[in-house]
This record gives sequence, C-alpha cells and structure tokens, in this order.
Amino acid sequence: RKEVEQDPGPFNVPEGATVAFNCTYSNSASQSFFWYRQDCRKEPKLLMSVYSSGNEDGRFTAQLNRASQYISLLIRDSKLSDSATYLCAVFLSGGYNKLIFGAGTRLAVHP
Amino acid sequence: EAGVAQSPRYKIIEKRQSVAFWCNPISGHATLYWYQQILGQGPKLLIQFQNNGVVDDSQLPKDRFSAERLKGVDSTLKIQPAKLEDSAVYLCASSLGQEETQYFGPGTRLLVL
Repeated sequence: RKEVEQDPGPFNVPEGATVAFNCTYSNSASQSFFWYRQDCRKEPKLLMSVYSSGNEDGRFTAQLNRASQYISLLIRDSKLSDSATYLCAVFLSGGYNKLIFGAGTRLAVHP
Repeated sequence: EAGVAQSPRYKIIEKRQSVAFWCNPISGHATLYWYQQILGQGPKLLIQFQNNGVVDDSQLPKDRFSAERLKGVDSTLKIQPAKLEDSAVYLCASSLGQEETQYFGPGTRLLVL
C-alpha cells in the first residue's frame, strides 16, 4: 500500500463548480499535512497547510480526519486558473523528518 | 527574495552517460532536498541535507547517484551512469529547517535515450 494515496482523476468540471479531492495516508506518525499545487511543467507550490480543526483560504477549504487518516481539499466556485495537479503531502516526524507526496490529482476546469 | 535556482533546466543524454545538476537554495536555508519526479507521480525524496551533512539518503540509488553540499550552500546531484528509467524531473527544494515549509526550484528535466 502506498504511503499517500489520492483520487487518480482527472476531474473535468465547469467553471463555478465545487470539486473535492481526497487523500489517505497510512503512517500514523504523520505529523503535518499539506496541499501543493503543480502547474503543467512547473514546480510544486504550497497551496495550504491542513490543520486539525480544518482551515479555509478564500475558495479553498482543507480538512483533516486523523481517526480515518484522510485529508480533503474543497474548491468552491472553480476558475479556469484552478486547472492544475493537486498534490497531497504528509510530513513524517519521529526521526523520519520527511515529506511524502501523493501522485496528485489533475483538475481541468472548462468554460 | 530570490527563489531556489537550478541548472540546467533541460538535459538530454544517452544511457550510460553521466550528468550533473546544480542547485542554489534560498539564502539562509539550512535544509536542502533533492527529489525525483517521474511523469504521473509525485516527487520522491532522494536525499536531504542539513547544512553540509546528509540527513537522509535512504532512497538514493547509491550505485549510480551521488550528491554533495560541501560548503552547506549550493549542491550538486550526479548520475553516473544514467539509465533509461532515470528520465524524470529532478527538483531541488530548500527550507529554513527540517520541519519548515519547503520551497521548490523549477527543476531539471532529464531525458535519457
């Protein structure tokens, strides 16, 4: 089983739609959680950290469920510019101190 | 503030040849990472430096890959000899510390023929 698994996608949605991505992780030593955005042929860029209580940044909402070991990202009112690959990342502490990425979920927003 | 710099941006080589990539992290960042991202996959950590010391190289194929960060600033990653399956984007990232936010460079896209 992969350490971090994501919905494979691609998700094709019209502008204005709400779309949700899920990510599951297998290691209970996971300490911190993140969503990165990666545009085609570009480097990953941090979109947002994910906090236990859930957090929101404009149209983006991230949630964490430690009991079920999953993270979610909700995008409301999708824009064409949201088209990208969204990478879930989990930071393993306890001597590992490394970031493990999922394979990413591709989102395509169309007019 | 300048970001993470990498060169070259693209490289095409034949299998069994050697190649080297260079990375200059954000000024003041003690931790430097090299990742390999194969098409359709997420970045995979190859090696992590804290200043000029190696913290984690457990996923570095040491028979052909090597990396150094001699003065604790910039770093080089070398592949010798390259294999077809090494075709990937090699991303360098840096952070203030091991548990701080990582910032990625633009990557080097390697194609091994």
